Amino acid sequence: QKEVEQNSGPLSVPEGAIASLNCTYSDRGSQSFFWYRQYSGKSPELIMFIYSNGDKEDGRFTAQLNKASQYVSLLIRDSQPSDSATYLCAVGTGGFKTIFGAGTRLFVKA
Amino acid sequence: GAGVSQTPSNKVTEKGKYVELRCDPISGHTALYWYRQSLGQGPEFLIYFQGTGAADDSGLPNDRFFAVRPEGSVSTLKIQRTERGDSAVYLCASSLTETGIYGYTFGSGTRLTVV
Repeated sequence: QKEVEQNSGPLSVPEGAIASLNCTYSDRGSQSFFWYRQYSGKSPELIMFIYSNGDKEDGRFTAQLNKASQYVSLLIRDSQPSDSATYLCAVGTGGFKTIFGAGTRLFVKA
Repeated sequence: GAGVSQTPSNKVTEKGKYVELRCDPISGHTALYWYRQSLGQGPEFLIYFQGTGAADDSGLPNDRFFAVRPEGSVSTLKIQRTERGDSAVYLCASSLTETGIYGYTFGSGTRLTVV
């Protein structure tokens, strides 16, 4: 079992819709959770981090965490073509390293 | 500097050669990480530095890989006797906090191709 699992996609949504990206993790002791966006040929860019169960909103982005289910999600409201990228879920294991999932490719159709 | 700087941006080397990849973190960031990303995969942890010392090198795949950070700022990832399987994008990241709890800032990466 991979430590951080994501559906590889691609996930395709129309412009203006809500995109929902999901992630599960295996280490129940994980402390911190991150979403990174990676455009093709570029390096990952931090979008959000979340530590506590529940929702955390930042502009059009909402991160959701459920530690009991070991589940993290990212919602993107009013999706734009510029949101088309690979979204990486990452989990801080409580030590010094962060483990990344393989990413979900998102396409937003104009 | 304003961001994490990695050089070179691209490196093509012959199998068996030695390469060095350089990372200059954000000024004031004491935590520095090296990751490796293959096509279609997420970044894979290699090594973490806190200051000058490697606090966690558990991700280095074998003894051909070595990294240093002698003055607690610039880091160099060294790969001996390169193999075609070493081809990947090598990403450096830095963090303001020791544990990276606020996430990382990544450099633009070095694309290593071993032919």
